[in-house]
Amino acid sequence: EAQVTQNPRYLITVTGKKLTVTCSQNMNHEYMSWYRQDPGLGLRQIYYSMNVEVTDKGDVPEGYKVSRKEKRNFPLILESPSPNQTSLYFCASGRLGTVYEQFFGPGTRLTVL
Amino acid sequence: KQEVTQIPAALSVPEGENLVLNCSFTDSAIYNLQWFRQDPGKGLTSLLLIQSSQREQTSGRLNASLDKSSGRSTLYIAASQPGDSATYLCAVSLNYGGATNKLIFGTGTLLAVQP
Repeated sequence: EAQVTQNPRYLITVTGKKLTVTCSQNMNHEYMSWYRQDPGLGLRQIYYSMNVEVTDKGDVPEGYKVSRKEKRNFPLILESPSPNQTSLYFCASGRLGTVYEQFFGPGTRLTVL
Repeated sequence: KQEVTQIPAALSVPEGENLVLNCSFTDSAIYNLQWFRQDPGKGLTSLLLIQSSQREQTSGRLNASLDKSSGRSTLYIAASQPGDSATYLCAVSLNYGGATNKLIFGTGTLLAVQP
């Protein structure tokens, strides 16, 4: 089954404790991206990647890191999480080009205390 | 800066009613527009994608239209069912640089279909 998977689905952590949210897709997509969703603000792009070893900032990259060492994986790293990073995070993937839709993972709900 | 607005923010209708969800965007230089459905605890499910050169797309009871010149899209749901209850999001794909896959989302319309 073609899908985007994220782990963990739910995470409660404390300020400053490094964490990684994994994202994996099995559709051989070149493009992968991370979004966060906050009430009243909608989904906003954090980082994206056009291919292996090619990453770039989205609209809200502060406090986040990503890596793209393999085509299928695109982990999101919070080196020192803060309470304002409490949010619902979505990973997405798609083929490059304007005619293709994007596919989203089930989301990771992160709470930073 | 591209802004996407969805009206209404919430909508409640009786089962069987036809309904229209609205999406507007400020910059007409888009590549495509996607409508998504979001269910609580689940990810986003793509419903329809309309290319900038197209006027509408249909899938089952869903019909999405696009008017680039006026910066508007509508999602028409025919014969609504309780299972249609969800948040509906529209997103535009921007036309600039290499980030052609970047999506700008609206804040969504929460739809409740009453049995």
